[in-house]
Amino acid sequence: QVTLRESGPALVKPTQTLTLTCTFSGFSLSTSGMCVSWIRQPPGKALEWLARIDGDDDEYYSTSLKTRLTISKDTSKNQVVLTMTNMDPVDTATYYCARTDEGKRLHDYWGQGTLVTVSS
Amino acid sequence: DIVMTQSPLSLPVTPGEPASISCRSSQSLLHSNGYNYLHWYLQKPGQSPQLLIYLGSNRASGVPDRFSGSGSGTDFTLKISRVEAEDVGVFYCMQALQIRSAFGQGTRLEIK
Repeated sequence: QVTLRESGPALVKPTQTLTLTCTFSGFSLSTSGMCVSWIRQPPGKALEWLARIDGDDDEYYSTSLKTRLTISKDTSKNQVVLTMTNMDPVDTATYYCARTDEGKRLHDYWGQGTLVTVSS
Repeated sequence: DIVMTQSPLSLPVTPGEPASISCRSSQSLLHSNGYNYLHWYLQKPGQSPQLLIYLGSNRASGVPDRFSGSGSGTDFTLKISRVEAEDVGVFYCMQALQIRSAFGQGTRLEIK
């Protein structure tokens, strides 16, 4: 059974750095074709893809946010970490991690999401 | 980056009636391998998105056969043959030709 769970602060101040952790089970990033992506959704708005990391450490970032994002993994702990610098109120959103099938390039399992509010 | 455009953005439907959602991409999503890298998701109220259709026309595991996907290149359609109350939510198309996924704006289906 594949599960993913996001964890991190519910509230961050403007200009601070956000660190989110995705802890997953039921698959391994060392398995060929397995990846983990981060996707966010501002309240009442559409989904926005942020970043992806593959088992061989390849990293991919949103064009518009790449200067602020870093994705990393700890394969032994089954965790993927996303950091986003210089947080702004417009970054208020639910942040999801999802398992990504590299071959079909789809996000087939999602976490429940974690709401991050940016406010002073 | 590829831009995805859905229509309509709001879709009121009477239960038992059909429904159709259009999705257009700014570039062709047809890969040289013959697959269209276009997926459909449904986000039910208060839930995470769930995969409905992948690679243009393949239903994901457990998805009822009243859902179908079609199209190729830049124009795609999601059809629901008979809408049920449990179909309420926001439908998203997503391009996957580029590694940097992009979603449409979403189509909110509501029951009349």
